[in-house]
Amino acid sequence: AQRVTQPEKLLSVFKGAPVELKCNYSYSGSPELFWYVQYSRQRLQLLLRHISRESIKGFTADLNKGETSFHLKKPFAQEEDSAMYYCALLNNAGNMLTFGGGTRLMVKP
Amino acid sequence: EPEVTQTPSHQVTQMGQEVILRCVPISNHLYFYWYRQILGQKVEFLVSFYNNEISEKSEIFDDQFSVERPDGSNFTLKIRSTKLEDSAMYFCASSPTGAPTQPQHFGDGTRLSIL
Repeated sequence: AQRVTQPEKLLSVFKGAPVELKCNYSYSGSPELFWYVQYSRQRLQLLLRHISRESIKGFTADLNKGETSFHLKKPFAQEEDSAMYYCALLNNAGNMLTFGGGTRLMVKP
Repeated sequence: EPEVTQTPSHQVTQMGQEVILRCVPISNHLYFYWYRQILGQKVEFLVSFYNNEISEKSEIFDDQFSVERPDGSNFTLKIRSTKLEDSAMYFCASSPTGAPTQPQHFGDGTRLSIL
């Protein structure tokens, strides 16, 4: 069975502060992990995927297999980063995403 | 940029009635998915569909649920006899393949309210 845990339902920071949204996973296979973001009244959008090792909108995430984590980080939060963030794990067959419960990020001015 | 479209945006149905939720995936995509999110809970996988058959399904996807690709563009989710607990946001998604380098693209969702 695969499971994704996001321990914080809400994270509130001030503009310019560093942000870390935590994600831990449990999977017996080789994990493929993603972060999706949902801005207010918009659809779920892919933010980044670990396989690409990319930085999108200043966000990065590193897969740590030893700690089974895929935390999302940004050094300086912006107000427009306020949104719901979901960590997701793709199974090896590539046909099922398992989502974490989501973390609402609020960036205060 | 092409998008997954879902209709209707909100569906209200009496308990016990059948409901069909519709999705138009991105045109060159081959994999299709349904997810749901009960209010206040996490997004849950329901089913994936490839090459005109179910590729994977979750425990939630019981005999009351079915999926169909009736033509070359639509992908539907049918709930045969709705229950109160089926009230949720239902998301359709599509991807070119199942590879992680080609992630799933989501629609805006259909809010299903069972009375």
